[in-house]
Amino acid sequence: EVQLLESGGGLVQPGGSLRLSCVASGFIFSNYPMSWVRQAPGKGLEWVSSISGSGGTTYYTDSMKGRFTISRDNSKNTLYLQLNSLRAEDTAVYYCARAQGLLYFDCWGQGTLVIVSS
Amino acid sequence: DIQMTQSPSSLSSSVGDRVTITCRASQGISNSLAWYQQTPGRAPKLLLYVASRLESGVPSRFSGSGSGTDYTLTISSLQPEDFATYYCQQYYSSPRTFGQGTKVEIK
Repeated sequence: EVQLLESGGGLVQPGGSLRLSCVASGFIFSNYPMSWVRQAPGKGLEWVSSISGSGGTTYYTDSMKGRFTISRDNSKNTLYLQLNSLRAEDTAVYYCARAQGLLYFDCWGQGTLVIVSS
Repeated sequence: DIQMTQSPSSLSSSVGDRVTITCRASQGISNSLAWYQQTPGRAPKLLLYVASRLESGVPSRFSGSGSGTDYTLTISSLQPEDFATYYCQQYYSSPRTFGQGTKVEIK
């Protein structure tokens, strides 16, 4: 069974940093691109970033480029998202998702909540 | 960026009803469209991809159609577990973008 388990969310002050993690199981992790998708409270879904299976290629939505960094450790079956210079508008549940061919998202974790507030 | 617009934003229906949700892209997306279902407090779940291909394990009462800029998700006979919010997502170009969601509520 495919499972994705996120962690690392929490309360952080504006301008602060957090690192989110997502541990994968039930599939050959290195074979799949992975993504982060976020959802602000009561709002819709927003793609954040994706990374190729090898980790050699990364993609970001323009508004987060330069502040967020996606990475992966295939030896640990773990996906990461480093969040820097956080703003109140970054408050959201961050989902880790397996990306089929970097196209659509066929498996999702349960999400981890990031709250940016003073 | 390709804008995805869903209609309606919400609807009320009864168990057994046929429900149709529309998703319109701001430019043609060549069937590069996925649909997701999200129940409160849960992660989204993939229902369909390539506009009309059913994801494994998804009930056959869900179907998708469309072409060009206009796509639909149809639930042939609404079941109690189908009351949820539905999102479309285009993957024709980057950034991947989602519709704003359609909430299906119990009448």
